[in-house]
Amino acid sequence: ETGVTQTPRHLVMGMTNKKSLKCEQHLGHNAMYWYKQSAKKPLELMFVYSLEERVENNSVPSRFSPECPNSSHLFLHLHTLQPEDSALYLCASSPSASGGRNIQYFGAGTRLSVL
Amino acid sequence: SQQGEEDPQALSIQEGENATMNCSYKTSINNLQWYRQNSGRGLVHLILIRSNEREKHSGRLRVTLDTSKKSSSLLITASRAADTASYFCATEDRGSTLGRLYFGRGTQLTVWP
Repeated sequence: ETGVTQTPRHLVMGMTNKKSLKCEQHLGHNAMYWYKQSAKKPLELMFVYSLEERVENNSVPSRFSPECPNSSHLFLHLHTLQPEDSALYLCASSPSASGGRNIQYFGAGTRLSVL
Repeated sequence: SQQGEEDPQALSIQEGENATMNCSYKTSINNLQWYRQNSGRGLVHLILIRSNEREKHSGRLRVTLDTSKKSSSLLITASRAADTASYFCATEDRGSTLGRLYFGRGTQLTVWP
């Protein structure tokens, strides 16, 4: 176990549903990340939170809405998704978001299927 | 694109053989990292090499970095079936204030018993 827990592990939703992905880290880290992993594509960084403040939003559509209520929890709220949003969504954390030695710890991911 | 590119895309070897994967990148970096991902799971950090280092070892892993060629290699010696996974390189740009990592598409390694 990496100390980063994601729930649910699998999610199937219709295009009109609203759902949320949850990530929790037990490592005392100050930075958390959401990534999207699609087949045959590099890992895409979606959002970065540092000390509960969003510091990067990587041109992600507004149908994805992140929330970081504290440094241990990160949510990704989903609404009105498209079939092309089907992917593995990965959460990661690191001791800080500053550069120099940013080793990231990943959760097991949520496999999302949008019908 | 700032992402690293791994080569080959797929590698298939027998247990006991060595596996070598390469990564090329385009920017000046603070460090380069290698991660491993088992099918459908999250990534696990393997090793980090700083821009002023040329070689680093960790157990059966050996990483080299050539900043003049903007390339790195990951060598897994005496491979085992349990090494079957995807391997990704990730770079952190020099001067990065956010510590953002740029990942490649990965090399799929299959080790046959």
